[in-house]
Amino acid sequence: DQQVKQNSPSLSVQEGRISILNCDYTNSMFDYFLWYKKYPAEGPTFLISISSIKDKNEDGRFTVFLNKSAKHLSLHIVPSQPGDSAVYFCAARDAGNMLTFGGGTRLMVKP
Amino acid sequence: NAGVTQTPKFQVLKTGQSMTLQCAQDMNHEYMSWYRQDPGMGLRLIHYSVGAGITDQGEVPNGYNVSRSTTEDFPLRLLSAAPSQTSVYFCASRRGNYGYTFGSGTRLTVV
Repeated sequence: DQQVKQNSPSLSVQEGRISILNCDYTNSMFDYFLWYKKYPAEGPTFLISISSIKDKNEDGRFTVFLNKSAKHLSLHIVPSQPGDSAVYFCAARDAGNMLTFGGGTRLMVKP
Repeated sequence: NAGVTQTPKFQVLKTGQSMTLQCAQDMNHEYMSWYRQDPGMGLRLIHYSVGAGITDQGEVPNGYNVSRSTTEDFPLRLLSAAPSQTSVYFCASRRGNYGYTFGSGTRLTVV
């Protein structure tokens, strides 16, 4: 059973609007959460992260929200740009510093 | 800095053939790992190493071997390729609790 799930395989958003990508997890021992962005034919690159002791982390157009009671995190991109079109993976870290990844969400930002 | 270098970028194997996927990093990272990416499954950990001479199994280790004779190199061996091993393979490294750096991937097809 997948411990980290991204239930939306794809998302289409108009340029300038908000993109919201969601991620759910089941293991309450995860202590750190990360979002990675992946372009075709490239490896994933780190985007933003959040510690389990926080509920929000912001970096420019990117904000990650964590709801521990619901075991849910989300990535908000505002405003969305065509260059944001990529596959986004959420990942959760356990006490052994191992990452468990979600299945990914393909974001398409239309001009 | 080259970061994490994976070779080859593409490979086609026949069932039963063997091959080695190469991974090298020049950042003096102690931790290295191999993931495979399959549609809807995200990235799943195959094997990892916390330092030279030390390796351990991840989530999906069957059919793969690894060794870590130096800090820089972490090759992944397929002893007898099967169609189920058709995937995109990513090598990643990290130092301490810092984020992972991924290679650009090897796309493997087993026919």
